[in-house]
Amino acid sequence: GAGVSQSPSNKVTEKGKDVELRCDPISGHTALYWYRQSLGQGLEFLIYFQGNSAPDKSGLPSDRFSAERTGGSVSTLTIQRTQQEDSAVYLCASSLASTTGGNTEAFFGQGTRLTVV
Amino acid sequence: GQQVMQIPQYQHVQEGEDFTTYCNSSTTLSNIQWYKQRPGGHPVFLIQLVKSGEVKKQKRLTFQFGEAKKNSSLHITATQTTDVGTYFCAGKGYNFNKFYFGSGTKLNVKP
Repeated sequence: GAGVSQSPSNKVTEKGKDVELRCDPISGHTALYWYRQSLGQGLEFLIYFQGNSAPDKSGLPSDRFSAERTGGSVSTLTIQRTQQEDSAVYLCASSLASTTGGNTEAFFGQGTRLTVV
Repeated sequence: GQQVMQIPQYQHVQEGEDFTTYCNSSTTLSNIQWYKQRPGGHPVFLIQLVKSGEVKKQKRLTFQFGEAKKNSSLHITATQTTDVGTYFCAGKGYNFNKFYFGSGTKLNVKP
C-alpha cells in the first residue's frame, strides 16, 4: 500500500475483554514499531521488530500485552483483559532497516484509538 | 540504557516570535530525526541529521546536531499558527538498532 495502515481506526471495548490491533507496514520495510500515546502525552515505546531478529519487547507495560509480526510484514498487537488505563491511541510505524547513515524515516499509521469502558 | 530527553515540555509563543526545542542524549548518537505531530494527527518525519555539527534548514526551520552528537535542536524563526503541534526528536545510538523518541515539545502559537 501507499502508507502504513492500521485497523480498526477506533475500538470501544468493555473492561476485561481482549482486543487485537492490526498494522500493515509499508512493503519492504523491515523495521516496525508500536507506540502508545495517551491524550496530550508523548510516544510511549511498546515493541520493536527488525527483520528476523528477536523483537525488542522492553516497552510492553505488562504481560497482558503481546505482539506478533507474521512473515516479516503484518503485525498484531494484542491486549488481554483490557483495563481502563489501556485507553489510548496505539500508533504503528515502519521504516527501512536502521543502518547508520541511511535515511530511516519512520512512517506512522493513523493509529487506533482504543477506549476501554 | 539509551535515553533521549527533550525540553521544554510546552511552549506558548505569540505569532512572529521564535521557538526552540532541545534534545539531549545520555550516549553518543549515530543519527537523530525530528518529527512533527499536528493536533489530532500522527507524527510526520521532518529531517534526519547524521554528521557531527550538521546544520540543515527547511524554510523557517533550522536543525542542528551537536559536535559531540549528543544533542540536537530545532529552531523556528517567526512562528506562524501553522507551526502549532508537538515536535519530537528521535535518536539512534551506535549500539542499538531502534530509534528512541524524546517526550516531545508541544508548541502553541497565539495569533
